[in-house]
Amino acid sequence: AQSVAQPEDQVNVAEGNPLTVKCTYSVSGNPYLFWYVQYPNRGLQFLLKYITGDNLVKGSYGFEAEFNKSQTSFHLKKPSALVSDSALYFCAVRDLQGGKLIFGQGTELSVKP
Amino acid sequence: DSGVTQTPKHLITATGQRVTLRCSPRSGDLSVYWYQQSLDQGLQFLIQYYNGEERAKGNILERFSAQQFPDLHSELNLSSLELGDSALYFCASSVGGGDSYEQYFGPGTRLTVT
Repeated sequence: AQSVAQPEDQVNVAEGNPLTVKCTYSVSGNPYLFWYVQYPNRGLQFLLKYITGDNLVKGSYGFEAEFNKSQTSFHLKKPSALVSDSALYFCAVRDLQGGKLIFGQGTELSVKP
Repeated sequence: DSGVTQTPKHLITATGQRVTLRCSPRSGDLSVYWYQQSLDQGLQFLIQYYNGEERAKGNILERFSAQQFPDLHSELNLSSLELGDSALYFCASSVGGGDSYEQYFGPGTRLTVT
């Protein structure tokens, strides 16, 4: 069965510092991987995806993610964190037998001034 | 704004009742997905429709049902409601049914069962 794991429930970063939110995956075959962000009382917003090609994927709001096949990881990164980046971040993998997304448990990112 | 709309935004109802949640996908999207978000279960896939046909089913309870209409909007029906059904219900849409396209999520319907 396909799955993703986010090993950290919470990540704390100072504004201006680089941030990393971790995600590892377990799939058979080539993975389709996604990152979403959820602000309080809002729906999920798509940030970026990896389908194939370059291992470094650039997305919205200055975020990027690095696909690492040998480590089965897809970590979300940003060079300089903003207080407004504080939110709940979800990693997801597309189920290859259908269109559904399988989500990780989420990581709460807190950026302090 | 993702372009996916959901109504109502909030719903408070009593145990044993039945409710209907509505979703309109983005213009041009043929697939609609329903997800449930709760504190203990996280984000769970319920069901997917593609161009009016059921495409995939997740751990959806028998008390729950859904359909997608010819104009592509979708409804999720929840019946014999229990306290444990209280959750945020999201609808998402995508262009295709099982490909690399990202899904766009609506703002959700928060269901509270009392």
